[in-house]
Amino acid sequence: DGGITQSPKYLFRKEGQNVTLSCEQNLNHDAMYWYRQDPGQGLRLIYYSQIVNDFQKGDIAEGYSVSREKKESFPLTVTSAQKNPTAFYLCAGSTGETGELFFGEGSRLTVL
Amino acid sequence: GQNIDQPTEMTATEGAIVQINCTYQTSGFNGLFWYQQHAGEAPTFLSYNVLDGLEEKGRFSSFLSRSKGYSYLLLKELQMKDSASYLCAVMDSNYQLIWGAGTKLIIKP
Repeated sequence: DGGITQSPKYLFRKEGQNVTLSCEQNLNHDAMYWYRQDPGQGLRLIYYSQIVNDFQKGDIAEGYSVSREKKESFPLTVTSAQKNPTAFYLCAGSTGETGELFFGEGSRLTVL
Repeated sequence: GQNIDQPTEMTATEGAIVQINCTYQTSGFNGLFWYQQHAGEAPTFLSYNVLDGLEEKGRFSSFLSRSKGYSYLLLKELQMKDSASYLCAVMDSNYQLIWGAGTKLIIKP
């Protein structure tokens, strides 16, 4: 089936550890996005990429890093520099034509 | 600054009609989106409005007034499975999406 696949769905991390969230798509989307969702707040953009080997910071990029070595893959690393990493992370793709986003099922990160 | 406002929570009865409002102030406008998000799941696309007026899609309709910076999502013949959060998002002049915090809709039997 076509779609956006995120893994893991749930992840626990100790303070001071880096963690990488996987996002893979087989929809042939050029554009991919990482959002963070916290209770009572709108989705906030962390990073986005519109083409392979290129990506741009979103509104809350500090403490995060990404790579886009392949069109299908857009992993997000949450580094120890991110002060409050516990959140629900959503990866999305878009053809860019209408702006409609297709989301993965999300990854819930909890820092212990 | 850019801002999207929508009610935090609404309650409605199964079989009834509910209207969820969204007002926005953004730098430019390139369309407004509504997404549905069930608890713990990913948002799914419901509708897109770029011109003024009403777009109907089955039990769901979405309305836009660009001059008023206003949209609503209308849900008819409510079903229990419609219990979810409804997210309003506006695409600004840079083609970036600005998201509201979402409206949690509770459906009672």
